[in-house]
Amino acid sequence: DTGVSQNPRHKITKRGQNVTFRCDPISEHNRLYWYRQTLGQGPEFLTYFQNEAQLEKSRLLSDRFSAERPKGSFSTLEIQRTEQGDSAMYLCASSLAGVRSTDTQYFGPGTRLTVL
Amino acid sequence: DQQVKQNSPSLSVQEGRISILNCDYTNSMFDYFLWYKKYPAEGPTFLISISSIKDKNEDGRFTVFLNKSAKHLSLHIVPSQPGDSAVYFCAASGNYGGSQGNLIFGKGTKLSVKP
Repeated sequence: DTGVSQNPRHKITKRGQNVTFRCDPISEHNRLYWYRQTLGQGPEFLTYFQNEAQLEKSRLLSDRFSAERPKGSFSTLEIQRTEQGDSAMYLCASSLAGVRSTDTQYFGPGTRLTVL
Repeated sequence: DQQVKQNSPSLSVQEGRISILNCDYTNSMFDYFLWYKKYPAEGPTFLISISSIKDKNEDGRFTVFLNKSAKHLSLHIVPSQPGDSAVYFCAASGNYGGSQGNLIFGKGTKLSVKP
């Protein structure tokens, strides 16, 4: 089963360090989304790509965050100069988008980030 | 301001009975609604969805009802099983303004099904 995969599953880092997460979507999916989830909350949208183009970014995505999807396949999310408030589960989802917005997003297992 | 609200943080149901999870939304531009199930330390798993042109969608034990005039949807699980114990998230999306399908989630309802 080639679902959405994310690596690493867990990351512990010290405040001020840079971290990078990887997401491999379902192979034929053209849209890829990043979300962040903190304790007691639902996932919150960060950004999304259609193929290699980054089409939308949330105001939650500060300048320290950058995402790429260079060949329209896998994506990376980098956080520079991590802060304790960045501690969260980072979720990736992918979908096969048609003409309408009604595409179902399938999520990966997430990367749990802990900033000490 | 929360656009998708799940007002019950938790729900406890006896095995074999019906579980009803509720969700309210405020944005009339939402046109697609989804329910996800989440176990601890895992990503959300898609359960069932409904388009705004419908008022009911059924898949096995799971049925979602949409009341657009009330901006309310509900997920019915019949019969409930212990394996259904998880956190359930309601999510909504729409193609409006700069938004092209990113999901807005509620805070979730933790369902416990007791044997």
